[in-house]
Amino acid sequence: DTGVSQDPRHKITKRGQNVTFRCDPISEHNRLYWYRQTLGQGPEFLTYFQNEAQLEKSRLLSDRFSAERPKGSFSTLEIQRTEQGDSAMYLCASSLSGQGAYTGELFFGEGSRLTVL
Amino acid sequence: AQKVTQAQTEISVVEKEDVTLDCVYETRDTTYYLFWYKQPPSGELVFLIRRNSFDEQNEISGRYSWNFQKSTSSFNFTITASQVVDSAVYFCALSEALDTGNQFYFGTGTSLTVIP
Repeated sequence: DTGVSQDPRHKITKRGQNVTFRCDPISEHNRLYWYRQTLGQGPEFLTYFQNEAQLEKSRLLSDRFSAERPKGSFSTLEIQRTEQGDSAMYLCASSLSGQGAYTGELFFGEGSRLTVL
Repeated sequence: AQKVTQAQTEISVVEKEDVTLDCVYETRDTTYYLFWYKQPPSGELVFLIRRNSFDEQNEISGRYSWNFQKSTSSFNFTITASQVVDSAVYFCALSEALDTGNQFYFGTGTSLTVIP
């Protein structure tokens, strides 16, 4: 499978616990994005990386959230001290940028659904 | 202000009917990009089309067609002779910069149900 993969697909946790999601982008893609999607809404931008550099963060990304892409390949999104309002689908996407290669389309994974009890 | 509006929350059609999904966008940029994505029950958003703001030519791909009108800031999506497999949530999205920042603004989606 050469698409974007996310793990775990589902996570149920108790309020106050920490959770971590992993995203493996399409291998040649240099950009990686995290989005959050709640029921009945479209995806909302959280942050994105160009290679290993985190270039932009949304104000939705509170200080309890941290994302890394240590070697410019896979990425992790950690949520500390989870709250019930964090319950959502966390989507990862990747794209290829640079030298005219960028077409603007994002390739999404199937998402990681978080339920905070 | 919401940048992408999909006023139709849910649509149901009978198989083989045509259906149009509306999308209205808002931007001050002269260069921007519009997209449609399909989200089937599996959850993965699937890219359908990208349209650049400087290209108002409509596009047809099989049973899918897109009508881009800058004068009304609309980018509507029509499915001809709908099929059950078209049942999904469809999102319209706007990107104001293709290579810097590149935030996508998604609409709230239109849930399409095609009844056999």
